Amino acid sequence: EAAVTQSPRNKVAVTGGKVTLSCNQTNNHNNMYWYRQDTGHGLRLIHYSYGAGSTEKGDIPDGYKASRPSQENFSLILELATPSQTSVYFCASGNYEQYFGPGTRLTVL
Amino acid sequence: QQQVRQSPQSLTVWEGETAILNCSYEDSTFDYFPWYHQFPGESPALLIAIRPVSNKKEDGRFTIFFNKREKKFSLHIADSQPGDSATYFCAAKNNNNAPRFGAGTKLSVKP
Repeated sequence: EAAVTQSPRNKVAVTGGKVTLSCNQTNNHNNMYWYRQDTGHGLRLIHYSYGAGSTEKGDIPDGYKASRPSQENFSLILELATPSQTSVYFCASGNYEQYFGPGTRLTVL
Repeated sequence: QQQVRQSPQSLTVWEGETAILNCSYEDSTFDYFPWYHQFPGESPALLIAIRPVSNKKEDGRFTIFFNKREKKFSLHIADSQPGDSATYFCAAKNNNNAPRFGAGTKLSVKP
């Protein structure tokens, strides 16, 4: 079974600060994804990647950057965090079936 | 652009009833239609999925009905149990793009 881990699991950040969310998968999937989940909006795609060195913009990329330095790792970077980015963030891997990580709860004060 | 529409937003059924969750899509190139469930405090997980070569997929109490002509698919949960209470997401995907998720249906099963 695919294993996707995320760190940190919880994060409190200050407005204007830099936040990096990390994701690691051990199933050798080419595709990885970052979503945010807010009540009433379901899962919204922020960035995704087809493999090491590639990143693609999803539906709501503004205010976020992504980095895929290796097959296993995919990071989401908030250069200047804002309170509107308070949310639960899920990383996922897989081509068709999505294997989700446990999520990171981010609060920006 | 919402390519996958899901309804209802919330649904309450009694234990033993059949819950019906609906989705529709726009892109005819989609070729994989999964349903995920998410329990409170947990991450989404695949429940059941169908490819358009079939119009029905069963797994125990869970059945997907697929209508390619109308671009609709639904999840039927037979003999609903309180433990089925969760949020259910439909999705659609093709080989070239990221999956598109519906907005979710919060299902409550009353004992």
